[in-house]
Amino acid sequence: NAGVTQTPKFQVLKTGQSMTLQCAQDMNHNSMYWYRQDPGMGLRLIYYSASEGTTDKGEVPNGYNVSRLNKREFSLRLESAAPSQTSVYFCASSKSGLQETQYFGPGTRLLVL
Amino acid sequence: SQQGEEDPQALSIQEGENATMNCSYKTSINNLQWYRQNSGRGLVHLILIRSNEREKHSGRLRVTLDTSKKSSSLLITASRAADTASYFCAPEGGSNYKLTFGKGTLLTVNP
Repeated sequence: NAGVTQTPKFQVLKTGQSMTLQCAQDMNHNSMYWYRQDPGMGLRLIYYSASEGTTDKGEVPNGYNVSRLNKREFSLRLESAAPSQTSVYFCASSKSGLQETQYFGPGTRLLVL
Repeated sequence: SQQGEEDPQALSIQEGENATMNCSYKTSINNLQWYRQNSGRGLVHLILIRSNEREKHSGRLRVTLDTSKKSSSLLITASRAADTASYFCAPEGGSNYKLTFGKGTLLTVNP
């Protein structure tokens, strides 16, 4: 039981490049989330998926797109990376919404030059 | 969704001492969760307290909730160096699926 896994662990991009961050969970959870964390800040929600087939914007969705590929996988795409997107990205999942604990992945460190 | 505000922003104590951190929020909640984040790692859930509960224990952790004051506190007893981490509260008060995290309390436990 791996929990929540994220790939890659670390990535360097040039401004304007695109990339997809992958997230998978093996806990049969319905809800999945993408957060970003900047130095000295808490986590800010980018997008979430309450259940398979649905996605919704969070607090800071601009510059990102998401895909809930199936119940296990939730990917985050940067179409044209900008230096302001340099951050640590965390994926999380929960059984079903907010009444449940969220389980977090180890994070992806992204540097945009 | 609403954001919790943790206080203090930073706390430094000696091993064996107790650590108390607080969380305040603005509107009514269904539950409030506390998470820990070790440096460079993802968040780990510590404890969830529901709005009809006043106190909850888990090992060396004690969480209290005062809905009249819209505040919660997390007490770590007999702290260890391994407790060094940032601690976040996440109040949940709506019917949506989102949690909002504050900036956290950075706890340093010195050996």
